[in-house]
Amino acid sequence: DTAVSQTPKYLVTQMGNDKSIKCEQNLGHDTMYWYKQDSKKFLKIMFSYNNKELIINETVPNRFSPKSPDKAHLNLHINSLELGDSAVYFCASSHRENTEAFFGQGTRLTVV
Amino acid sequence: GQNIDQPTEMTATEGAIVQINCTYQTSGFNGLFWYQQHAGEAPTFLSYNVLDGLEEKGRFSSFLSRSKGYSYLLLKELQMKDSASYLCASYKLSFGAGTTVTVRA
Repeated sequence: DTAVSQTPKYLVTQMGNDKSIKCEQNLGHDTMYWYKQDSKKFLKIMFSYNNKELIINETVPNRFSPKSPDKAHLNLHINSLELGDSAVYFCASSHRENTEAFFGQGTRLTVV
Repeated sequence: GQNIDQPTEMTATEGAIVQINCTYQTSGFNGLFWYQQHAGEAPTFLSYNVLDGLEEKGRFSSFLSRSKGYSYLLLKELQMKDSASYLCASYKLSFGAGTTVTVRA
């Protein structure tokens, strides 16, 4: 009965590959987010969706493409992975914008 | 846009009080959040202030001054388990870099 679940938890892949991280929330929330946390622990917002519509798209390479098939899911697809993409990626959801967010466990991506 | 600033690190002794400051500049304001993140774990919600003043929740309190663009998180009766990063977040949940608090015996 995990509230926000993301898979996989760990992902090790080679440069140039394409990979996806999945996120699902069972809280009935309208808003979902993707964050990147690098080695310096800075938690940077990448995307935010509200009712399946993109509302935040920070300065992120277009190799990163979020997809929201429905309100409960926000997946992150990454093309042509680079070494600098290595980080922990967190999915989160909130009832609506600017309310308490619940985070998934994180996906540790390592590009080799 | 967002500009959130908080100290990088703080160290305190078990049983003591620590105050973590956060200043923000934002194009839109709809509250100020504080989250706690233990090493290797996901952030978890601590508090939310939308009006000026102090919100107390057990050993943790959070203060907001909208006119000054300033907030602080107050941790009282520090315990070893409080060693973590504390993240301030503003409009559209844009986070600051976090303050790593180390509690020493």
